[in-house]
Amino acid sequence: KAGVTQTPRYLIKTRGQQVTLSCSPISGHRSVSWYQQTPGQGLQFLFEYFSETQRNKGNFPGRFSGRQFSNSRSEMNVSTLELGDSALYLCASKLSTVFETQYFGPGTRLLVL
Amino acid sequence: GENVEQHPSTLSVQEGDSAVIKCTYSDSASNYFPWYKQELGKRPQLIIDIRSNVGEKKDQRIAVTLNKTAKHFSLHITETQPEDSAVYFCAAVYGGATNKLIFGTGTLLAVQP
Repeated sequence: KAGVTQTPRYLIKTRGQQVTLSCSPISGHRSVSWYQQTPGQGLQFLFEYFSETQRNKGNFPGRFSGRQFSNSRSEMNVSTLELGDSALYLCASKLSTVFETQYFGPGTRLLVL
Repeated sequence: GENVEQHPSTLSVQEGDSAVIKCTYSDSASNYFPWYKQELGKRPQLIIDIRSNVGEKKDQRIAVTLNKTAKHFSLHITETQPEDSAVYFCAAVYGGATNKLIFGTGTLLAVQP
């Protein structure tokens, strides 16, 4: 099976702009989670989607939003970008429950200037 | 709050020595604790996990121990090799019904040949 894929891999934006990142899970996986990774902060949970519904949400401002489509592909949107949003954004997919192995994608590296 | 504390943030050992990374969680209801390894420039990958009904789990040179009373769990790597050099993340399930996976801030392990 193909692994988790993310597009684009790299992105440069300026403050105030918005950005949309895409994640395609492993075939058959219904859960997609998004994480922000920055040096010193580890992997911070953004949100999780399962069967097109947001199942969990982290402690991020409303500028961060997401959605999931019927084929389980997910998108994450960040509006009104700030310098502090520069990070590696990772998505991860799993079959359904939290007890199952979560497989990460390669990430999208976002730089906000 | 929902957090997982991880120590140390960096760890340097000589090849062949053992390495221990410790994590503490705050939700007594947490019942699943995976460990992920992230090599430089690569995505995190699950290396071992443990559920709360088990006190210890081993897989070759890697072992994880769980102390539910103290709410901490540890990763033990024996006979370390240079290819063990990576960032290691612990995680714990939070939220009961919501079941979010919250990660620690990571430990950079350097194995000196």
